[in-house]
Amino acid sequence: GQQLNQSPQSMFIQEGEDVSMNCTSSSIFNTWLWYKQDPGEGPVLLIALYKAGELTSNGRLTAQFGITRKDSFLNISASIPSDVGIYFCAGRPVGSNYKLTFGKGTLLTVNP
Amino acid sequence: NAGVTQTPKFRILKIGQSMTLQCAQDMNHNYMYWYRQDPGMGLKLIYYSVGAGITDKGEVPNGYNVSRSTTEDFPLRLELAAPSQTSVYFCASSTGGGSLQEQYFGPGTRLTVT
Repeated sequence: GQQLNQSPQSMFIQEGEDVSMNCTSSSIFNTWLWYKQDPGEGPVLLIALYKAGELTSNGRLTAQFGITRKDSFLNISASIPSDVGIYFCAGRPVGSNYKLTFGKGTLLTVNP
Repeated sequence: NAGVTQTPKFRILKIGQSMTLQCAQDMNHNYMYWYRQDPGMGLKLIYYSVGAGITDKGEVPNGYNVSRSTTEDFPLRLELAAPSQTSVYFCASSTGGGSLQEQYFGPGTRLTVT
C-alpha cells in the first residue's frame, strides 16, 4: 500500500520556539490533512489542503500542500505547552475516493 | 452535538472471547471508518462504509466484522479475540462532497486481549 514518511519522529523544544515537520510520499496525493492527537484521545483535524501549492493557516499553525503533490509540511509558530502531542499527516492517494493513508506521527514535547 | 462517540473506553478480553465495539455519529455523515492504532504506528484502516447497508474491507480486516444498518451507527465485531488484536480502535466519519476527506474521529477504545 501507499507509504507516508513523516519526520521528524520526535521533537523536544522550548516554549516560544517555532516547529516544522513534514510528510513525503513516493506517489502523488490529491489531499493532505494534518491531525493532532492528545494522550488518550482521538485525532483532531487541524488543517485540510486540497490544491497543490495551497498554503493554509489555523491560528499559529500553517500547512502547505507541496507543488509536486508528493509532500506537505506543518509549521507551528511560538509554541506553547498545550501544543504537546502527536501530529499526524494523512493523504488521499490518486485513485482513492475516501481512503486516507496516515504517517506514523511526530511526537512534540514543549518545555515550559 | 456530540460528534463521534465510542463505547466502551477500555476493555480487557480473554483469548477467544468476542465483543462489539460501538460507534455512533450525529453529524449525518454517510461515510464511516474503523481504524486500529498500534504504538509508534499510523492508523490502519480495518473496514469502512459509504452508507447504510454498504461496507467494505480496508487494509487489515482479518478477525473483524462490521455492519451498517443505520446512518448513525457502525459497530465493529471481534469474534475470536487474539493477542494480536490488542490495540486502540478509532471510529471516524466524514461527509461527502468537497469535504469528503475530512474525517472526524471518536475518542477511541483501548482493547487488551490476554
